Amino acid sequence: AQSVAQPEDQVNVAEGNPLTVKCTYSVSGNPYLFWYVQYPNRGLQFLLKYITGDNLVKGSYGFEAEFNKSQTSFHLKKPSALVSDSALYFCAVSWGWNSGAGSYQLTFGKGTKLSVIP
Amino acid sequence: NAGVTQTPKFQVLKTGQSMTLQCAQDMNHNSMYWYRQDPGMGLRLIYYSASEGTTDKGEVPNGYNVSRLNKREFSLRLESAAPSQTSVYFCASSGNEQFFGPGTRLTVL
Repeated sequence: AQSVAQPEDQVNVAEGNPLTVKCTYSVSGNPYLFWYVQYPNRGLQFLLKYITGDNLVKGSYGFEAEFNKSQTSFHLKKPSALVSDSALYFCAVSWGWNSGAGSYQLTFGKGTKLSVIP
Repeated sequence: NAGVTQTPKFQVLKTGQSMTLQCAQDMNHNSMYWYRQDPGMGLRLIYYSASEGTTDKGEVPNGYNVSRLNKREFSLRLESAAPSQTSVYFCASSGNEQFFGPGTRLTVL
C-alpha cells in the first residue's frame, strides 16, 4: 500500500531564510510525487510534481523539490521565505497514471503548517 | 473558465437530515473526486469517478453516496447526516494535476 508522511505538523521560519518542508513516501514501484498548498479558507493549489527525469523539480512561486530515491523523500524547498508563503502544505503520492481515467489518483499526507515570521 | 465550482459554501444540518453537495468542472476532465478534510487528518478520499457513468469507493465512503450526472457534474449526498460528518468537503477534477474547488464547510449538530 502506498503512503506518504509529513513528519512535522508545523514549521516556523524567519522571512528571508531558506525553508524546507519534509515528505517521505512508501510505495511499491516508481512513485509519482506532488506538492500542493492551501491558503486559509481556500481549496488546494498545485505547486509541482515529480514523474520521472531530473530529481530536482521546479514549481510555482519559487518552490522546488528534490526527489531522493535512496531516502524515499521528496522535500519541498525555497531559498528565501516570504510572509505570503505562510499556508498549509500537502505532499501526495500516486501509484501511477490511470490511462482510462486520464489522471493520477493521489494519497495525501496530513499536511504541514508553514509560518513565516516577519 | 471557472475551474471547479462547489455549492453551497456553508451548511448547517441537524442529525438525520439529508443534503446534496454539488460540484461542477469546466476543464473537460474525465476524473472527479470528493474528499473530506479534518484537522490533523489531511485529505481523505470519499468517492471518485474515473469517467462519466462510473463511480468507486475511496478510503472513507460510509454514510455517503455519489452521482456522476454527466462529464461536468459530480454530486455527493448525505442521506442521514451524523455529527461525525462535520468536515470541510472538497471536490476535485483531474487531468495531469488535480484541481480543487473552494470547499463546503458542513456542520452537523
